[in-house]
Amino acid sequence: DAKTTQPNSMESNEEEPVHLPCNHSTISGTDYIHWYRQLPSQGPEYVIHGLTSNVNNRMASLAIAEDRKSSTLILHRATLRDAAVYYCILRVCIYNQGGKLIFGQGTELSVKP
Amino acid sequence: ETGVTQTPRHLVMGMTNKKSLKCEQHLGHNAMYWYKQSAKKPLELMFVYNFKEQTENNSVPSRFSPECPNSSHLFLHLHTLQPEDSALYLCASSQEVAGGPFFGPGTRLTVL
Repeated sequence: DAKTTQPNSMESNEEEPVHLPCNHSTISGTDYIHWYRQLPSQGPEYVIHGLTSNVNNRMASLAIAEDRKSSTLILHRATLRDAAVYYCILRVCIYNQGGKLIFGQGTELSVKP
Repeated sequence: ETGVTQTPRHLVMGMTNKKSLKCEQHLGHNAMYWYKQSAKKPLELMFVYNFKEQTENNSVPSRFSPECPNSSHLFLHLHTLQPEDSALYLCASSQEVAGGPFFGPGTRLTVL
């Protein structure tokens, strides 16, 4: 299974942008890049996903490198509620078999007031 | 609210008990998953079901027995568990190429 590499932890100040990096040098052409986040004692929450082009939604933006070997999750204005573990995951989509996620350790983001 | 519900939210059981975890989704998804999250560890994929058929079992001990009676419901039957099985058990569902999977809130299981 394709793997990702993320920093163990990052700090941010409230109201400032946050850029969470992820390396996935062994990504294959059909792997989707997914981001989830998880608050303590809760299930992971889907944030965003993409294949080749940059993506924006109400939660975040996803910037994907041209060679797809890395990506960056961008939170435009961090709030205290954004403090969580952020997972960058490659999702392998197999026809008629859904798409499984293999989680790594993720990046623990702390947000300072 | 992700549309994936799990019951119970908390469960304490002895090693000789038999219990079941339930997961339900009404999102029209065709794939459902069980994940296990032990303290300070990444989520581990346990089982995958597609169109009610089990397509993946990641070497999970037989004391965990999944059941998928229809595309909206998924169960995890538990028997003769060990204390090291204490963890957060998460259910998720997805469509083939849409965003997600989407996770439920999990069941916090404690085995005494």
